[in-house]
Amino acid sequence: EPEVTQTPSHQVTQMGQEVILRCVPISNHLYFYWYRQILGQKVEFLVSFYNNEISEKSEIFDDQFSVERPDGSNFTLKIRSTKLEDSAMYFCASRLSGEQFFGPGTRLTVL
Amino acid sequence: AQTVTQSQPEMSVQEAETVTLSCTYDTSESDYYLFWYKQPPSRQMILVIRQEAYKQQNATENRFSVNFQKAAKSFSLKISDSQLGDAAMYFCAYRSTNAGKSTFGDGTTLTVKP
Repeated sequence: EPEVTQTPSHQVTQMGQEVILRCVPISNHLYFYWYRQILGQKVEFLVSFYNNEISEKSEIFDDQFSVERPDGSNFTLKIRSTKLEDSAMYFCASRLSGEQFFGPGTRLTVL
Repeated sequence: AQTVTQSQPEMSVQEAETVTLSCTYDTSESDYYLFWYKQPPSRQMILVIRQEAYKQQNATENRFSVNFQKAAKSFSLKISDSQLGDAAMYFCAYRSTNAGKSTFGDGTTLTVKP
């Protein structure tokens, strides 16, 4: 069964460093998303991406964040200068229609 | 903006018994999707069940069923014959058919007692 994959599973970085989180959505899906979940809290929407552009973004998704689909298979989330409060689980999701399929998540720890 | 409320931060159930998790939502739209996701300690988000708002029939997936009350904007999850492996955090989520994003509730932590 096709699934969304994410790498790395755990990323540790120093405050101020750039990180890139990678996702491979399900191959025939058209809509792509990033969510984050701070430990013990709810899942929050960051950004949605369709037809090679951002279709919606939340107030969390400020200028420090960017997304890209560089090669038609990968979908990346870049955080330019990480802050302590960026420590969270980051989930990628994709859909064709109906429900979103979530990846296993990347745990980002900012020290 | 849509909101999703899960009023039970924690629930517990005895193995083999039945438990119901509550969820209410607020929307002005008539067509949308509702979901229940399970998040075990691994923190992976696993889809448990989905309901399209235009369908009157409540969705069922094996031991999992929902009670969808559109007028009341209520979407509860019933787990029958609870098993130890059902222990997890459960999130209720709403997605408009127009907008792509999902809006999640705060979650309910389910404990299953042997």
